[in-house]
Amino acid sequence: GEDVEQSLFLSVREGDSSVINCTYTDSSSTYLYWYKQEPGAGLQLLTYIFSNMDMKQDQRLTVLLNKKDKHLSLRIADTQTGDSAIYFCAVPGNTPLVFGKGTRLSVIA
Amino acid sequence: EPEVTQTPSHQVTQMGQEVILRCVPISNHLYFYWYRQILGQKVEFLVSFYNNEISEKSEIFDDQFSVERPDGSNFTLKIRSTKLEDSAMYFCASSGTNGNTIYFGEGSWLTVV
Repeated sequence: GEDVEQSLFLSVREGDSSVINCTYTDSSSTYLYWYKQEPGAGLQLLTYIFSNMDMKQDQRLTVLLNKKDKHLSLRIADTQTGDSAIYFCAVPGNTPLVFGKGTRLSVIA
Repeated sequence: EPEVTQTPSHQVTQMGQEVILRCVPISNHLYFYWYRQILGQKVEFLVSFYNNEISEKSEIFDDQFSVERPDGSNFTLKIRSTKLEDSAMYFCASSGTNGNTIYFGEGSWLTVV
């Protein structure tokens, strides 16, 4: 079945860029997603990219997709303390969505 | 902005008791889901529901679990006899006609003691 891997922790200084990486195994995934979970809160759909795209930009967020390497990344420009959260990569697989373990982003003021 | 709403936000129950978690999906959505997240672990798929029946379910979704859409707006998850290992955050989600973008609720935190 689909397997999604992410690094568990990332720490950046306020104002720097954050890059969260994800790898997946199922090359047939059509849409690939990033969700954000703030402490004690639900899963907020942050952005997604269709598999025929290489890049999608939405304000401070840039999603890059390398289908050949099955690698997805989320770049947050000008990272703010409010961006501190857990970021989940999620792709369709043998279930509607298979999630990674999440990357905890800590922003240092 | 439309959102998925869940109740209760937190429930504590004794082992062996029945629990019903409630969800109101986004109004024009047709696909409904339950996921759960045990503390510190991955978000796991439980079940999907479409056209008034279960369309997919995982190994976790055994006979202790059931889902229902009792009316045009609610979608419920019932755990018949809770176990300690059912303690988790349960997320309801829904998606539209293409099933592509899945929106999650805030979650219901279930603690079984």
